[in-house]
Amino acid sequence: SAVISQKPSRDICQRGTSLTIQCQVDSQVTMMFWYRQQPGQSLTLIATANQGSEATYESGFVIDKFPISRPNLTFSTLTVSNMSPEDSSIYLCSVASYNEQFFGPGTRLTVL
Amino acid sequence: AQSVSQHNHHVILSEAASLELGCNYSYGGTVNLFWYVQYPGQHLQLLLKYFSGDPLVKGIKGFEAEFIKSKFSFNLRKPSVQWSDTAEYFCAVNAPAYNTDKLIFGTGTRLQVFP
Repeated sequence: SAVISQKPSRDICQRGTSLTIQCQVDSQVTMMFWYRQQPGQSLTLIATANQGSEATYESGFVIDKFPISRPNLTFSTLTVSNMSPEDSSIYLCSVASYNEQFFGPGTRLTVL
Repeated sequence: AQSVSQHNHHVILSEAASLELGCNYSYGGTVNLFWYVQYPGQHLQLLLKYFSGDPLVKGIKGFEAEFIKSKFSFNLRKPSVQWSDTAEYFCAVNAPAYNTDKLIFGTGTRLQVFP
């Protein structure tokens, strides 16, 4: 299995600011993903973080709003830019390993 | 596009009752199927998965699920629930034919078990 950590675990931010969330994995993995879980809802895939190339975004998500970095096979960041209260959510990092996905503990973001 | 439906949004049971949570997916090709559980305040954990072979799969904590290809279903079952099973349950699908590991999640089912 893969052990995933995320920083910060939670944050309260002001409208219009940006927050960068870090995801660290204890082993090298090819596929890393970023999900959003809005209050009372299921998980929605934001993008696939590709090592050495641009992230692949799902419909409804754009790079300007959610820039992603993937500098190596164990680390990725997701930035939530120009935040609004609608961005209040839990953001989760996950990795695929041996046909299974493992999830990080999530970052709970509240935007005032 | 792939989608996953979970028709039971909120289920309330007494301890020792039997549980069945529905999951249907829309995709005609080969799929991998998963059930995840999220206990209050904890992160997602894998309950069980189906890739191929025996369509009845057994997972942790006494859970099992049956893949019925003709019905595009992967329902989760447990013969006798416990209070500690109170959690949110998510069905998920991915399609290896697309050469991707990305998961499509259902909307989730909140299970409350009362003593």
